[in-house]
Amino acid sequence: GAGVSQSPRYKVAKRGQDVALRCDPISGHVSLFWYQQALGQGPEFLTYFQNEAQLDKSGLPSDRFFAERPEGSVSTLKIQRTQQEDSAVYLCASSSGHGEYEQYFGPGTRLTVT
Amino acid sequence: DQQVKQNSPSLSVQEGRISILNCDYTNSMFDYFLWYKKYPAEGPTFLISISSIKDKNEDGRFTVFLNKSAKHLSLHIVPSQPGDSAVYFCAASGTYRDDKIIFGKGTRLHILP
Repeated sequence: GAGVSQSPRYKVAKRGQDVALRCDPISGHVSLFWYQQALGQGPEFLTYFQNEAQLDKSGLPSDRFFAERPEGSVSTLKIQRTQQEDSAVYLCASSSGHGEYEQYFGPGTRLTVT
Repeated sequence: DQQVKQNSPSLSVQEGRISILNCDYTNSMFDYFLWYKKYPAEGPTFLISISSIKDKNEDGRFTVFLNKSAKHLSLHIVPSQPGDSAVYFCAASGTYRDDKIIFGKGTRLHILP
């Protein structure tokens, strides 16, 4: 079956612009996670949804970052007034929510803020 | 403070030999450990995992060993193949399933012909 998909794959934004990154999880997966991966680092947790409920947003670096999953499937990560330090790969992952630890990742969106 | 540490940024191994990737962690509350493999321009791919109640898990050429007293785990790949060249991330998760995953910085494995 189809895996996790993300769009766009690459995004260049001028500093101060707003961006929206989309994630389509594996069909039927209850849990959805967003991670940020800076160059040379491992992915770092941003936020977690169970269905449409955002249960953990402790990793969001500032109030410029906002995520939603209104119908419990597709999720959008929005970054307002982008800064150069927001340049990173944004990864989305999903899991079945039925006792699985393993998360399945999408290819990521590489955001470059100029 | 890094909770999951991979102290070797890179490792080169001859094809056919054993590759050993190491990982240390600091949080004794971690309940589950995972290894992910990542190729350029792709997302991490789940490779193998181990529960904290076990000390070994094997899947084909891949074996993960866990030493809880030392807070250390390792991934063994035998025999190493060219397609194994990738970045390997060690990761850990907490007590609750569907919990966030804490990743190390990764080790780049080069398999030499």
